[in-house]
Amino acid sequence: GAGVSQSPSNKVTEKGKDVELRCDPISGHTALYWYRQSLGQGLEFLIYFQGNSAPDKSGLPSDRFSAERTGGSVSTLTIQRTQQEDSAVYLCASTLARGTDTQYFGPGTRLTVL
Amino acid sequence: QQQVKQSPQSLIVQKGGISIINCAYENTAFDYFPWYQQFPGKGPALLIAIRPDVSEKKEGRFTISFNKSAKQFSLHIMDSQPGDSATYFCAARIGGADGLTFGKGTHLIIQP
Repeated sequence: GAGVSQSPSNKVTEKGKDVELRCDPISGHTALYWYRQSLGQGLEFLIYFQGNSAPDKSGLPSDRFSAERTGGSVSTLTIQRTQQEDSAVYLCASTLARGTDTQYFGPGTRLTVL
Repeated sequence: QQQVKQSPQSLIVQKGGISIINCAYENTAFDYFPWYQQFPGKGPALLIAIRPDVSEKKEGRFTISFNKSAKQFSLHIMDSQPGDSATYFCAARIGGADGLTFGKGTHLIIQP
């Protein structure tokens, strides 16, 4: 594709519900990253994938957060039992390969937990 | 612990002026320092980046100045234009790692 795409663009959910956020990286990009951008804050690194494996899960804020990537392409970030503090914009980025400097970001998914 | 501190939080500059945004870092293992530009409703886009083996890098109207001993780097936007109005983030990455550590951002407004 022309760029990184994310869906949905907006998600409103009730506290306690589970949500799934999807990321489609640029075609051919093997490395994929998830970040969280809270209001007034910078971007917070969550998790990184090289292919289908996630060697670095250190940024996931709690065990309610998980992510997977299948076929070396699409990735899904799942938040279980959502809390109000999970409200943020979740951004996905991809790079051609691990170690490549430029990360290309998608437009993000704005999550609102009521 | 915030590893990259960015200032100012917001900045207003007149058209044609110079916009300056500063960042300071703590971890000397950082070896890659990019600046990202973000417009409302969009994801961040890489603007310019530098490695610590050079003190300055210029691309068009955008310049990064890097001071390794002070652990500081800054973005200078020359001849600032209203189209430059956006949020700017500095970031840093540890060599061999992959996730970027971002500053909290600077909301820049260029007044016509």
